[in-house]
Amino acid sequence: SQTIHQWPATLVQPVGSPLSLECTVEGTSNPNLYWYRQAAGRGLQLLFYSVGIGQISSEVPQNLSASRPQDRQFILSSKKLLLSDSGFYLCAWTGPGLSGANVLTFGAGSRLTVL
Amino acid sequence: GQNIDQPTEMTATEGAIVQINCTYQTSGFNGLFWYQQHAGEAPTFLSYNVLDGLEEKGRFSSFLSRSKGYSYLLLKELQMKDSASYLCAVMDSNYQLIWGAGTKLIIKP
Repeated sequence: SQTIHQWPATLVQPVGSPLSLECTVEGTSNPNLYWYRQAAGRGLQLLFYSVGIGQISSEVPQNLSASRPQDRQFILSSKKLLLSDSGFYLCAWTGPGLSGANVLTFGAGSRLTVL
Repeated sequence: GQNIDQPTEMTATEGAIVQINCTYQTSGFNGLFWYQQHAGEAPTFLSYNVLDGLEEKGRFSSFLSRSKGYSYLLLKELQMKDSASYLCAVMDSNYQLIWGAGTKLIIKP
């Protein structure tokens, strides 16, 4: 069966510090991978998605970046965090290809507080 | 623009039935999803509708009318553990998910 791992679960970072969140998927090949952010009391905002190694699409211009160094690994990074980067970050995956029946499955999430 | 509307908050009584509505305006349609999200946790998949009609899964049912741009999630025999936010999402013609802001459901004993 497929599983998704995301870490760290929580972190508190000072403004201006770097960030690295990591996500890996097991039990599948060529998944579509996603990074979402959810601000307190708000809906899900798509940040990045990837359909293959080295292929990253950015949905929202900001000081965050994403990389996919391996087929089942997705990393969210920042060189200098802003206060507005605080939120709940969710990695998610679907099966390969584009299909309405591809159910999005989320990792447990990473709660980031920038002080 | 693309838009998903659902009520911000609803309250219901344990053992009762509640219906959470979702209306949408999107560029194309490739399916509608409902997710449940408990406070502090990640969303989990509940249901997927792509054809008109009712899909039933135990205590939960989801209905879709594509002509009306409308769906609802019906929860029966409410339990305290059903207290959560319920997210409606529509997959558009580009296979991108458009998310509603979620409906916070409060269950009272």
